[in-house]
Amino acid sequence: EDKVVQSPLSLVVHEGDTVTLNCSYEVTNFRSLLWYKQEKKAPTFLFMLTSSGIEKKSGRLSSILDKKELFSILNITATQTGDSAIYLCAGRGGQNFVFGPGTRLSVLP
Amino acid sequence: DAGVIQSPRHEVTEMGQEVTLRCKPISGHNSLFWYRQTMMRGLELLIYFNNNVPIDDSGMPEDRFSAKMPNASFSTLKIQPSEPRDSAVYFCASRLDRKETQYFGPGTRLLVL
Repeated sequence: EDKVVQSPLSLVVHEGDTVTLNCSYEVTNFRSLLWYKQEKKAPTFLFMLTSSGIEKKSGRLSSILDKKELFSILNITATQTGDSAIYLCAGRGGQNFVFGPGTRLSVLP
Repeated sequence: DAGVIQSPRHEVTEMGQEVTLRCKPISGHNSLFWYRQTMMRGLELLIYFNNNVPIDDSGMPEDRFSAKMPNASFSTLKIQPSEPRDSAVYFCASRLDRKETQYFGPGTRLLVL
């Protein structure tokens, strides 16, 4: 059965800290890994990763994929209170998308 | 672009009643997904349409759930009869087939009493 595991499930940090969120996956016919940020409403897209070792970067956020070890990390540097959200990782295999449980990040002022 | 549109945004109903959730995907997108999100189970894919045709409905919990996509701009998810354990946020998402990114609607928060 396909599955996506995220860790930690919950994280509390202070503004300015750097965080690393982890995602491991077992997805049949794996094609891509996606990261989403979910605040109070719907998930919003952050990154899509298809190749190992190529870092995707957007401002203070960056992500990388390791297809050999079947995991991805999402880094957030110099965290701000606006980064507080649930970060979802999803693996796409064939036609299926499998989401992880999410990491709830709380950034305190 | 208005994004993915879902209605209603909130629904409260009594056990046994029929519930119909509606979704309008982003214009031009040819894939549509229905998801359910709960605290216990996270985000679960229920069903996926491509060019209005259901491709994978293995995530549909049971026969009480049904989904249709009569045309490229409209889909429904129906629960009949509803049960308290169906209480969740139901998201619709759409995607342009050659792109991986799914765009989520605002969700319908369903409460079955």
